[in-house]
Amino acid sequence: TQLLEQSPQFLSIQEGENLTVYCNSSSVFSSLQWYRQEPGEGPVLLVTVVTGGEVKKLKRLTFQFGDARKDSSLHITAAQPGDTGLYLCAVSGTYKYIFGTGTRLKVLA
Amino acid sequence: NAGVMQNPRHLVRRRGQEARLRCSPMKGHSHVYWYRQLPEEGLKFMVYLQKENIIDESGMPKERFSAEFPKEGPSILRIQQVVRGDSAAYFCASSPEAVTGVNYGYTFGSGTRLTVV
Repeated sequence: TQLLEQSPQFLSIQEGENLTVYCNSSSVFSSLQWYRQEPGEGPVLLVTVVTGGEVKKLKRLTFQFGDARKDSSLHITAAQPGDTGLYLCAVSGTYKYIFGTGTRLKVLA
Repeated sequence: NAGVMQNPRHLVRRRGQEARLRCSPMKGHSHVYWYRQLPEEGLKFMVYLQKENIIDESGMPKERFSAEFPKEGPSILRIQQVVRGDSAAYFCASSPEAVTGVNYGYTFGSGTRLTVV
């Protein structure tokens, strides 16, 4: 069983549309990270959320940590082709990060 | 500051050969992690090392795979007698301190893409 389930698994949208992707678990976490991985590159850390209910914004990206610290969402407003990539959530396990299954986003021009 | 450096970026090996993947962590980072990513999948933890010590190798296959992080030089992930199923992207990440509780993420390298033919 996966500790972190991400949905949807794949998403293809037109430029300018809004979208939300989710990261869910039955466990409680002290913090959660979101990464973006572009084709052919390593993941890049976007944000860390720590407090239940916390909302962080990074330009057109809005990240929210669930009140119970079991889940998180990433909302992208007016998606652009440059947002294309694999979005991964991650939580700390025993001395390492554990990654979710990922959402593969493609934004069409 | 240079980021996490991995080399080679691409590696082609015939079945039965050995593959050596190198990772130099960010300056000041003494904790190194290796992950494997199969095509169209997420990242799977393999091993966590500090200088000269393997801390957690719970994600490493029991046979043919080994890792080291010597006192001097890069961390090495070694795969002996490679098989087609070893074809994947292998990523190295580093951090300045151990991952415990609230922590602020890894810095990843660009990966080594291993193709076994």
